[in-house]
Amino acid sequence: EDKVVQSPLSLVVHEGDTVTLNCSYEVTNFRSLLWYKQEKKAPTFLFMLTSSGIEKKSGRLSSILDKKELFSILNITATQTGDSAVYLCAVEKGALNFGKGTSLLVTP
Amino acid sequence: DTEVTQTPKHLVMGMTNKKSLKCEQHMGHRAMYWYKQKAKKPPELMFVYSYEKLSINESVPSRFSPECPNSSLLNLHLHALQPEDSALYLCASSHRDRDTGELFFGEGSRLTVL
Repeated sequence: EDKVVQSPLSLVVHEGDTVTLNCSYEVTNFRSLLWYKQEKKAPTFLFMLTSSGIEKKSGRLSSILDKKELFSILNITATQTGDSAVYLCAVEKGALNFGKGTSLLVTP
Repeated sequence: DTEVTQTPKHLVMGMTNKKSLKCEQHMGHRAMYWYKQKAKKPPELMFVYSYEKLSINESVPSRFSPECPNSSLLNLHLHALQPEDSALYLCASSHRDRDTGELFFGEGSRLTVL
């Protein structure tokens, strides 16, 4: 059975800290891995990763995929209170199969 | 602003009611999805339509009936629901289902079943 496992499930940090969120997967016929941020409503797209070892970067956020070890990380540097959200990892296989998410709280 | 529009934003219904959730996108996407999300849980896939044909049904009970009248519209017809069906129902679209890529989500319809 396909699995997408995120860790930690929740995290509390202070503004300015750097955080690393983890996503491991066991999926047959893997195509891509995506990261989404969800606040109160719909998930919003962050990154799509298809190739191993190539870092994708957007401002303070970056992500990388390791297809040999079957995991991805999402890094957020210099965290701000607006980064507080649930971060969802999903593996694409006809549709997106989501992990349980990491709930991040950034305190002032 | 999201380019996937869902209506209504909130819906309260009794167990004997019949109602529908609607979703619309004008991005030319040929794959559309329904997800169900309970509180503090990730979205769970319900249905996938590809080129207006149902391609994935994740063993969803028949009290949920999807319909794709055309490439821009996706409906979810609801009948004889149970209180445990209360959830946020998210519609999404993507360019095509065989190479899904990024899903664009609507803001969801929050359903309460009394």
